[in-house]
Amino acid sequence: DVKVTQSSRYLVKRTGEKVFLECVQDMDHENMFWYRQDPGLGLRLIYFSYDVKMKEKGDIPEGYSVSREKKERFSLILESASTNQTSMYLCASSPQGTSGSYEQYFGPGTRLTVT
Amino acid sequence: KQEVTQIPAALSVPEGENLVLNCSFTDSAIYNLQWFRQDPGKGLTSLLLIQSSQREQTSGRLNASLDKSSGRSTLYIAASQPGDSATYLCAPTTDSWGKLQFGAGTQVVVTP
Repeated sequence: DVKVTQSSRYLVKRTGEKVFLECVQDMDHENMFWYRQDPGLGLRLIYFSYDVKMKEKGDIPEGYSVSREKKERFSLILESASTNQTSMYLCASSPQGTSGSYEQYFGPGTRLTVT
Repeated sequence: KQEVTQIPAALSVPEGENLVLNCSFTDSAIYNLQWFRQDPGKGLTSLLLIQSSQREQTSGRLNASLDKSSGRSTLYIAASQPGDSATYLCAPTTDSWGKLQFGAGTQVVVTP
């Protein structure tokens, strides 16, 4: 079974802190994604990566950056956390190149609260 | 931009009834469509993936249909059980990298 793990289930940080959210997948997938989920707004794509050191902005990249130094690991970085970044963060991976035909698998999510 | 609508937003049925969940999307040029289940406070579990060339996909009590030309997909859950209570999300992709565009979901409650 495909397994996507996220470093924390719950996280509480203070405004202005630098925050790292880690995601690891164990199936040698090329593509990895970071989403955030908010009530009334649904799931929105922050960033995605289609290869090591390759990244693309999603729909809401402002205030975030990402790092993918190894194929299995994709990190989301909040450079200076703000209260409007309080959210559920979900990581996903999929085994594809450019065909767009493969299934996306999600991690359990990290509930981040910024106070 | 792809807009995804799920109707109804919420649904409550007695155990044993069949469930019908609807998903519509505005851009019919999709590569595939995925249905997910989400339990409260948890991540998403993939239920079914339908390729753009397929009309239907089945897994156990679940059956999903796809009418790409009319921009619609339907998820059928047969003989519902209380354990089927969850939010169900549909997500087509119109991008060759597989980026998903999500609907708001249908919240399902199955009462014993």
